[in-house]
Amino acid sequence: AQKITQTQPGMFVQEKEAVTLDCTYDTSDQSYGLFWYKQPSSGEMIFLIYQGSYDEQNATEGRYSLNFQKARKSANLVISASQLGDSAMYFCAMRGENRDDKIIFGKGTRLHILP
Amino acid sequence: NAGVTQTPKFRILKIGQSMTLQCTQDMNHNYMYWYRQDPGMGLKLIYYSVGAGITDKGEVPNGYNVSRSTTEDFPLRLELAAPSQTSVYFCASNRPGTSNQPQHFGDGTRLSIL
Repeated sequence: AQKITQTQPGMFVQEKEAVTLDCTYDTSDQSYGLFWYKQPSSGEMIFLIYQGSYDEQNATEGRYSLNFQKARKSANLVISASQLGDSAMYFCAMRGENRDDKIIFGKGTRLHILP
Repeated sequence: NAGVTQTPKFRILKIGQSMTLQCTQDMNHNYMYWYRQDPGMGLKLIYYSVGAGITDKGEVPNGYNVSRSTTEDFPLRLELAAPSQTSVYFCASNRPGTSNQPQHFGDGTRLSIL
C-alpha cells in the first residue's frame, strides 16, 4: 500500500530563514510522482512543485525546491528566504502508476513564519 | 477559465437531511475526485471518476453517493447527514495519462451537520 508520512505537525521559522518540510513515502511502484501543495488559511489548495521518480535532478520552482532522495524514499520541500505569506499548511502527496491517477496525501505540516 | 467550481461554499444541515454538493470543471478533464478534509488533517478520497458513466470508491465512501453523467459535472450526494460528515469537501480534476499533472482543486465546501 502507498503511504505518505509528514512527521512535523507544526514548525515555527523566523522570516527570511530557509525551511525544510519533511516528507517520506512508501510505495512498491517503480514509477510515481510526488507533489507539494500549500493550503493558506483561506482554505484553497495551491500546487507548488512536482518531482517524478525518474527525474535525475531535483525540482525547483522559484523559492521552492524539492530535496529528492529516492533510496531513502524522502521528498523534502525546501523554501528559501521564507516570507510571512508562506505561513500555511503544507501537504506532501504522491501519485503511483496505474492507479487511476489517484493522489494520496500526508497529514500536513503547519508552517508559521515569525516576523 | 473558471477551472473547478464548487457550490455551495458553506452549508449547515440538520441530522438526517440530504443535500448535493456540486462540482463542475471547464478544462475537459476526464478524471475527477471528491475529498474530505477534517480539521487539522489531510485529504481523504471519498469517490473518484475516470470518465462519464464511470465512478469508483475511494478511502471513505460510506454515507456518500456520486454520479458522472457528463465530463464537466461530478456531484456528491449525502443522503442522511450525520455529525461525522462535518468537514470541508474538495473537488479536484486532472487530465489522465500524464503523471506530472497536478490535480486542480475547487475552493471547497464547508459543511456543518448539527
